Amino acid sequence: DADVTQTPRNRITKTGKRIMLECSQTKGHDRMYWYRQDPGLGLRLIYYSFDVKDINKGEISDGYSVSRQAQAKFSLSLESAIPNQTALYFCATSDTRDRGYEQYFGPGTRLTVT
Amino acid sequence: AQKVTQAQTEISVVEKEDVTLDCVYETRDTTYYLFWYKQPPSGELVFLIRRNSFDEQNEISGRYSWNFQKSTSSFNFTITASQVVDSAVYFCALTITGGFKTIFGAGTRLFVKA
Repeated sequence: DADVTQTPRNRITKTGKRIMLECSQTKGHDRMYWYRQDPGLGLRLIYYSFDVKDINKGEISDGYSVSRQAQAKFSLSLESAIPNQTALYFCATSDTRDRGYEQYFGPGTRLTVT
Repeated sequence: AQKVTQAQTEISVVEKEDVTLDCVYETRDTTYYLFWYKQPPSGELVFLIRRNSFDEQNEISGRYSWNFQKSTSSFNFTITASQVVDSAVYFCALTITGGFKTIFGAGTRLFVKA
């Protein structure tokens, strides 16, 4: 089984709808991240969390919110989806004890907002 | 501010050719980590290598090799005798001390033709 899972894997939604993307991990890592990937822009950080009580905005947090329900779960919400939020979304984890800060990524969620 | 530049947007080679993917980074931190990730057509992100700023030793892993040069702020990736399975998007990334922030380059798409 995958260590970092994301649901759904694909989602098509309409403008104005609320949508939640979920991420779960079995790696026991304390840090979790949400990124979005757009063609030609690489990955950009939306939110990150270093533990259940610690949530921080990344470089493109507008229009998004997150919830860290448990150490193993980190969800991303789009309160009112808009077409320019169409992208590939990745969840990632890392371990504070790993001084290299290597991140492990989920398989991605492809979101289309029409 | 931190920045990662992958100037090559796309590279196309014929199988068995050697290819080098360039990565130039900017940071004022003296302690940092550099990474390469591979994103095959299936979409997942696969960790390839991590280097810390104090270790300029080059590394070779099979057909892959990495050249880290602090003097030119570069961390280039060479694939020797490329294969069709190497076709992917490759991302270079920079993480500063504490792991508070990881900056990804825009990625280089590599096409290896049979």
